[in-house]
Amino acid sequence: DSGVTQTPKHLITATGQRVTLRCSPRSGDLSVYWYQQSLDQGLQFLIQYYNGEERAKGNILERFSAQQFPDLHSELNLSSLELGDSALYFCASSVEREGGETQYFGPGTRLLVL
Amino acid sequence: AQSVTQLGSHVSVSEGALVLLRCNYSSSVPPYLFWYVQYPNQGLQLLLKYTTGATLVKGINGFEAEFKKSETSFHLTKPSAHMSDAAEYFCAVSTGTASKLTFGTGTRLQVTL
Repeated sequence: DSGVTQTPKHLITATGQRVTLRCSPRSGDLSVYWYQQSLDQGLQFLIQYYNGEERAKGNILERFSAQQFPDLHSELNLSSLELGDSALYFCASSVEREGGETQYFGPGTRLLVL
Repeated sequence: AQSVTQLGSHVSVSEGALVLLRCNYSSSVPPYLFWYVQYPNQGLQLLLKYTTGATLVKGINGFEAEFKKSETSFHLTKPSAHMSDAAEYFCAVSTGTASKLTFGTGTRLQVTL
């Protein structure tokens, strides 16, 4: 158990819909990262927040957005869903925002868009 | 920008045999290197990491990796494979100013009797 929790574990929805994925980081961790794992794209970094502020952006679609709340939990919002958005979405957390810090991964949310 | 190449999407070894999973990286600045393992239907677990200092890094479950700057490599090894090592292994890189992890495509390790 990494100490990072993600809800829900599984999500099945239809094209065009909107979903929210939730992540609670390890106690004391200020950085939260979101990653997408799919068969065709592999593991890709989406976005990072540090202590409530957006820190870095990766290959995140405009239809996707995220935020980190004062209690440090984070939410990833996916809208106008397409079949290709079906993937495993991971949240990870670390103490600091700099490189070299170990990122601890949650169990993931498996999203299926029908 | 940084990148990671993992040679071999599937590796099969016999139980008790040496495990060698290859990883080469590209980075314009000093890299931080990681190996993560993913068991079926689970998240990623850190095996080991290299930041600075000793280039031979020991991790959990008997794994180790050596950072070779001249070869831009960070290969993962284990002297004797166990059935429980069957999983997918990911090499990843980050840098001092960009803490996001850039992953390789992964290597699925199969361990046979």
